This record gives sequence, structure tokens and C-alpha cells, in this order.
Amino acid sequence: ETGVTQSPTHLIKTRGQQVTLRCSSQSGHNTVSWYQQALGQGPQFIFQYYREEENGRGNFPPRFSGLQFPNYSSELNVNALELDDSALYLCASRKDRGTDTQYFGPGTRLTVL
Amino acid sequence: KNEVEQSPQNLTAQEGEFITINCSYSVGISALHWLQQHPGGGIVSLFMLSSGKKKHGRLIATINIQEKHSSLHITASHPRDSAVYICAVSNTDKLIFGTGTRLQVFP
Repeated sequence: ETGVTQSPTHLIKTRGQQVTLRCSSQSGHNTVSWYQQALGQGPQFIFQYYREEENGRGNFPPRFSGLQFPNYSSELNVNALELDDSALYLCASRKDRGTDTQYFGPGTRLTVL
Repeated sequence: KNEVEQSPQNLTAQEGEFITINCSYSVGISALHWLQQHPGGGIVSLFMLSSGKKKHGRLIATINIQEKHSSLHITASHPRDSAVYICAVSNTDKLIFGTGTRLQVFP
């Protein structure tokens, strides 16, 4: 059983650019959540995908968007990058949206210059 | 006021000491999680609790649902326990996180 993987591990972008981050969920898991963790802070919920549909969203602007694919892998897209978007982006998968145990990926560290 | 509060924010200890990290929350929850985060970012789930107490090796987690409070205890602490410990609660299908407690254990 493979764990949750994320790519890339590190990324440097400039203000105004767009970025796509990727997450492969653990085998058999149909629910993926994305979190943003700024330096020194706890992670903040961005949104969740369940069976290819957005199923809950935190307090993030529309320039944060996502996708989930039929194999339940997921992408997080951020448009018009701002300096404050610099953070660690974590994805976590669950077997089903009704279960509580989440398995985290290693994260993608995004730096916006 | 954050919905999940942890204390202390930073903690240093000598090897062998007993450590307690506290978490209080103000929202309804279906479960409470204790997570460990090492430098570099990866998060590992230590415990998921909805009532009572759980033990795994030198780690013990307790929760008091009526008081909306949980504690994580580490017995006989070791330098390899040095990490950030994060409390999170499951609320309406998402996790709400505390800001974490940075623990450093010195030999």
C-alpha cells in the first residue's frame, strides 16, 4: 500500500505567476484535503475533494482552485501568486469522507518572490 | 480567539523528563488528533481520540469531552522526540489545527 505523495517538493515562483501542485492519495482513498501552512503556524484548511467534486472549502479566495481525477489524485492550482502564498502546502487523504483518520503527504514548499 | 488553542508554544526538556502538552477547543468535534511534524514538514498522525485515553509506547493522549480539553504526555523523553506537536480537531468534515508546540529535548 503506497502512502500519500506530493510533487514537487520545492518550488520557487514570482508574484503574479500560476502554480499547480499535485497529490497522489493513498491507495483506496477517495477523499483528499488540501491545507496551507505558513511558517510558524498550524495548517489551514483550503478545500476538500470527494469523488471528483469539491466537498467543503475554507476561507481562501477563488484563485485557489482544485481538481480531483478519477483515480482520486488531486491538483491544487493557485493563480496570480502573492508573496503571502509562500507556505508549505499539505495534502491528506482519507478512505472516505465519513472517516476521521487522515494520512498526510510530505508537503510542497512554495516560495513566492 | 483560535478555535483550537495549544500550550505551551515552546517547550524545552532534559532527556528523561515527563512532558505534557495541552489542547483546548471551542467547537463541536467528532474526533481530536495529535500529530507530529518534523523539520521539513512531514506530518505523522500519533493519535485519534473521541473519548478517554490512548497509549502508544511512551506517548499517552487523553481527552475530556465535557471540558473540551486534551493532553499529550511523553514519558521518559528522548532527543528524538524533538519535533512540533500539533493538536487538530475534526469538525464538519475538515481538520482545524492548533498552532503547534515546539518541543526540544536535550541530552
